[in-house]
Amino acid sequence: GAVVSQHPSWVICKSGTSVKIECRSLDFQATTMFWYRQFPKQSLMLMATSNEGSKATYEQGVEKDKFLINHASLTLSTLTVTSAHPEDSSFYICSAMAGTKNNEQFFGPGTRLTVL
Amino acid sequence: RKEVEQDPGPFNVPEGATVAFNCTYSNSASQSFFWYRQDCRKEPKLLMSVYSSGNEDGRFTAQLNRASQYISLLIRDSKLSDSATYLCVSYFSGSARQLTFGSGTQLTVLP
Repeated sequence: GAVVSQHPSWVICKSGTSVKIECRSLDFQATTMFWYRQFPKQSLMLMATSNEGSKATYEQGVEKDKFLINHASLTLSTLTVTSAHPEDSSFYICSAMAGTKNNEQFFGPGTRLTVL
Repeated sequence: RKEVEQDPGPFNVPEGATVAFNCTYSNSASQSFFWYRQDCRKEPKLLMSVYSSGNEDGRFTAQLNRASQYISLLIRDSKLSDSATYLCVSYFSGSARQLTFGSGTQLTVLP
């Protein structure tokens, strides 16, 4: 199956710093990538949809200036959490869609962010 | 009302038991459905796709009832390794192809 990687897998940072998370499709080209956030014991919540070469589409309630998304190539999307605060601590998961197989999304292993 | 609702669980069942999870969805235009499993602190992994009236894969059977907007997952002869959270997911292309996740049902299979 298709492989999606995320880096870093976990990060601890001080309040006020910015954190960049990378999502890569390793063996396919991803026309669309998605960024999700999951708080403990809750479901995955879509934050934004990212298409290569265009601006991301953010879900209602997600601040685009706080969660910067860049999808510069067909294999890489980045999410930058700017001026992170403790309430941003969460599990961030990306997924990638190849556009070929039954609308299946392939998930990265996730990044656990803890903001002190 | 949530777009995808699931049994909250948790379900604690003995090894070898049969367990069923239910899921309802509100968007009648949803085009397809999936069951994912998610282990603790891991990403979701696709378990089964559910396209028409349902399908079976080994010990797992998924059923879809579009009239009632209802999906189910049946696990027979449950194994310890089946312990996980099971996520019901709907797909709707619309203007931005995306999945909508239910909140998940936690299953623990006991020895």
